[in-house]
Order: sequence, then C-alpha cells, then structure tokens
Amino acid sequence: KAGVTQTPRYLIKTRGQQVTLSCSPISGHRSVSWYQQTPGQGLQFLFEYFSETQRNKGNFPGRFSGRQFSNSRSEMNVSTLELGDSALYLCASSQPEALSGYTFGSGTRLTVV
Amino acid sequence: QKEVEQDPGPLSVPEGAIVSLNCTYSNSAFQYFMWYRQYSRKGPELLMYTYSSGNKEDGRFTAQVDKSSKYISLFIRDSQPSDSATYLCAMSGGNTGFQKLVFGTGTRLLVSP
Repeated sequence: KAGVTQTPRYLIKTRGQQVTLSCSPISGHRSVSWYQQTPGQGLQFLFEYFSETQRNKGNFPGRFSGRQFSNSRSEMNVSTLELGDSALYLCASSQPEALSGYTFGSGTRLTVV
Repeated sequence: QKEVEQDPGPLSVPEGAIVSLNCTYSNSAFQYFMWYRQYSRKGPELLMYTYSSGNKEDGRFTAQVDKSSKYISLFIRDSQPSDSATYLCAMSGGNTGFQKLVFGTGTRLLVSP
C-alpha cells in the first residue's frame, strides 16, 4: 500500500518568491492536513482539508494557503516567501473520522535564501 | 506556556534498557493521544494511538494516558539501537478540532549498543 507522497522533496527559493507543494494521500484517505516543522517551534498545524473544503486552520498568516482536489490530492502555497518560512512541510492523510491511521509523508524541505 | 510540554532530551540509554518518555498537557478537552517516532530527514511514523484514558500495548511499546493528571507516557522495553530517533507526543480533541494535532517538541532518544 503506497504511503503519503510529497513532492518535491527539496526546494530552494528566494525571498519574495512563491512556492507550491504537493501531497498525494493514501488511497481511500479523504482528509489531508499540513504541518510546518522547525527546530524552534516543532510541528505546527497549518490547515486541514476534507472534500475540497478547508475544515480547520492554524495560526499562520494569509500568505499560507491550500486547496484540495476531487481526488483528495492537496497542494499548499506560500506567497511572498520570508527567511523564516524555511522549514520541513509535512502532509498527513487519514480517514476523516479515524485518527488511528493518521499517516505523514516524508515532507518537503523548503529553504528560503 | 505551551499546550503540550515534552522534555527535549537527549535521553541516552544502553541497549536493553526500559525507556520512559513523557508529556504533560494543559487542555483538558484533549481526548486523542498519539506517539510518533521520527528518524532524521523522515516524516513522523505513528507508533501508538489511544483514545481517552488507559493503557495500550503493542509489542515492546506501551502507551499510558492519565487524563486526571494530564500526563501521558510511552514505555519502550528491551530498547534497541534502531529505536534511536526523536519521539513526539501528539494530541487532539475538543475545541482544537479532531484532525488538528498539537505536538510536543519531541524527545531525542539515543540507544547505545
């Protein structure tokens, strides 16, 4: 059974640019959540999507956005990149009401220079 | 004060030791408790999932939840060098939203041969 797939694995961007990260959930998982992981703050929740709708949102500025497609694949976008956006961005998928299978991908490591 | 507190370690033990990892939390509405293991440059891997209070055992791993004390633990028996990783506690429930996990900062475990 294929796991959660995130692309790309590594990304280097310049301040002020924008970036789009992609996440393909486990087959049958319809809920997709995004997290930012940094050494100082740990894992922080960005948002969760189910049935193409954002159901929950963390405390991040509006520069962080996402969307989900009808096949449950999800993308997140960060506009006007700042140095502090450098982090590991993790995507997790699950059945909408079953945390027992809450599975993370390997993440996209974003470096902003 | 953070919602979830976790000693960052590192915790160094010899092979075969029993390891105890702990988290405390402040939000009494949390109902779902998880432990993840994260190797360097990988996404978190779900080890244990517990709903509400009680114990759960899976092989060498035992998870305990004491909601009255707002305290959760993970015990690893017969620890192996391959257990060397960062262990993250996570929880959710109540007004934070079912799918929004709140993580501890992680405890780095080193098991020496």
